[in-house]
Amino acid sequence: GAGVSQSPSNKVTEKGKDVELRCDPISGHTALYWYRQSLGQGLEFLIYFQGNSAPDKSGLPSDRFSAERTGGSVSTLTIQRTQQEDSAVYLCASSLVRGLNEQFFGPGTRLTVL
Amino acid sequence: SQQGEEDPQALSIQEGENATMNCSYKTSINNLQWYRQNSGRGLVHLILIRSNEREKHSGRLRVTLDTSKKSSSLLITASRAADTASYFCATAINFGNEKLTFGTGTRLTIIP
Repeated sequence: GAGVSQSPSNKVTEKGKDVELRCDPISGHTALYWYRQSLGQGLEFLIYFQGNSAPDKSGLPSDRFSAERTGGSVSTLTIQRTQQEDSAVYLCASSLVRGLNEQFFGPGTRLTVL
Repeated sequence: SQQGEEDPQALSIQEGENATMNCSYKTSINNLQWYRQNSGRGLVHLILIRSNEREKHSGRLRVTLDTSKKSSSLLITASRAADTASYFCATAINFGNEKLTFGTGTRLTIIP
């Protein structure tokens, strides 16, 4: 596809369950970002991948959150033992190269933890 | 934590009028970007201004940056109903550190 895609678009889960959110960046984009947006709020940075470098995990809110990026392309954000406060829209973005480039966002995954 | 804060939080204007939104931030930056978000989902990049630039134009958009005041403004001229959306400023602190810190957003409503 031409843009960043994310799946699923919506996820409802029970408290304590694990969830995996997927991001397919634009082909050829070396940088990939995960953000979280709670209702009515701005975006909160979670994690950043750049090429083969070690990811910047400084935004992950707890050790229940992890992410990986396989083959420099698709990324999966995993939340273990979900809590109600994890409910939010999780947005993925990619950019072409490292530097002053705009980030292209996917449509997001709306996670609801019951 | 939020780096930027947009002002106002919400703005309603008549179609055809100009809309101005402001953003303040706390730390030194490398660049500042404005994004638009429709229906609480994906964001669309509007414009990027570097720290050594003072003003930038793109179509009906005009962005200014005052690094001494740590503030930026986004002006949308001749507004249209399709401009109804939330607008966010985002800052990048260092070249090579591209993670963005977003403000809380301005909800703009254009009244036809």
